[in-house]
Amino acid sequence: KAGVTQTPRYLIKTRGQQVTLSCSPISGHRSVSWYQQTPGQGLQFLFEYFSETQRNKGNFPGRFSGRQFSNSRSEMNVSTLELGDSALYLCASSSDTSPRTIEAFFGQGTRLTVV
Amino acid sequence: GNSVTQMEGPVTLSEEAFLTINCTYTATGYPSLFWYVQYPGEGLQLLLKATKADDKGSNKGFEATYRKETTSFHLEKGSVQVSDSAVYFCALSRSQGNLIFGKGTKLSVKP
Repeated sequence: KAGVTQTPRYLIKTRGQQVTLSCSPISGHRSVSWYQQTPGQGLQFLFEYFSETQRNKGNFPGRFSGRQFSNSRSEMNVSTLELGDSALYLCASSSDTSPRTIEAFFGQGTRLTVV
Repeated sequence: GNSVTQMEGPVTLSEEAFLTINCTYTATGYPSLFWYVQYPGEGLQLLLKATKADDKGSNKGFEATYRKETTSFHLEKGSVQVSDSAVYFCALSRSQGNLIFGKGTKLSVKP
């Protein structure tokens, strides 16, 4: 069974540009979550999608957005990039069981560097 | 609000030493608790979990017990190996798709 696949693995962008990251969940998983990991702030929840609908959202500015397609693949977009957006962006998928037993499977992440 | 506090690292141990990484949480209600591990250059892997008070999660020699009275979920292993060197994250979950993580504890095991 293939794991969670994130593309690309590495990205270098310039301030002010926008970027789109992609995540393919494990087959059969309908929930996809995104996290930002930085040395200073650690792991922070961005948003979660289930069946093409955003079901939960973290405390990030509107420059961060996402969507989910009918095949459960998800993309996140960051517009007007800032230096502080440099981070490892992790995607996680899970089957839709009770949140009390959620088991999230993470991808290897996309390392975004903003220069 | 909900939060997770882990002991700060790095933690350096010799092979076969006993490991404890402390984790406490703040949450209303009854969250589920998790330990994740991140190896260099990799994403996070679920190590173990517990969904209710007094549950003990265990995997690969690691254990953690959900203690509601002390709001803790400390990670332990009786004898660490060099291959256990990684960053360990304690996390809680109360809503769908939303894990709240601690800052992480880097463990280095020397031969």
